[in-house]
Amino acid sequence: AQKITQTQPGMFVQEKEAVTLDCTYDTSDQSYGLFWYKQPSSGEMIFLIYQGSYDEQNATEGRYSLNFQKARKSANLVISASQLGDSAMYFCAMRIIQGAQKLVFGQGTRLTINP
Amino acid sequence: SQTIHQWPATLVQPVGSPLSLECTVEGTSNPNLYWYRQAAGRGLQLLFYSVGIGQISSEVPQNLSASRPQDRQFILSSKKLLLSDSGFYLCAWSVLRTPWEQYFGPGTRLTVT
Repeated sequence: AQKITQTQPGMFVQEKEAVTLDCTYDTSDQSYGLFWYKQPSSGEMIFLIYQGSYDEQNATEGRYSLNFQKARKSANLVISASQLGDSAMYFCAMRIIQGAQKLVFGQGTRLTINP
Repeated sequence: SQTIHQWPATLVQPVGSPLSLECTVEGTSNPNLYWYRQAAGRGLQLLFYSVGIGQISSEVPQNLSASRPQDRQFILSSKKLLLSDSGFYLCAWSVLRTPWEQYFGPGTRLTVT
């Protein structure tokens, strides 16, 4: 069965520093997708970045990059130059290919950016 | 552009009362639709998904049911709420051309008392 593990329940980072949020996954599928979502205190889920299992290069979206290490089954999110508005819950998720593209989520990491 | 609506935003219901949460999507056709629940301090758990009108798949046995009466409408229901049904309910949609992205609604915070 597919599983996502986020081992950092909370992280505190100084503004403007880079931060890495850890995510490991478990699947026997050869084709899968990995996502990161941000959930501010308002509750909405905001899509940040996507990495396909066959993508040879790490995905990047502005200040977000995904450090994809397939052999280690890890998909860490790196946020460069953190900002106060980055404070939120962050969820790693994996796409199950069968059916309606279901997502399996990790438990999340609460990131707090200190001024 | 596509938008997704959920209502109500918050709801307080007594144990044993019925429930109906509604989700509608605008600006896209034939979306896949999803209901997730997030318990306090936890990740999201997929409850139901639908690939078309009247087509509902349930992920976990529970006290809830879902229906899709129209292409862009997804309803989450219960006949009798339990305390354990409390949580944050999120509706989401995706389309085949961008299957790697699910777009979430603003959510409904349900408290069962």
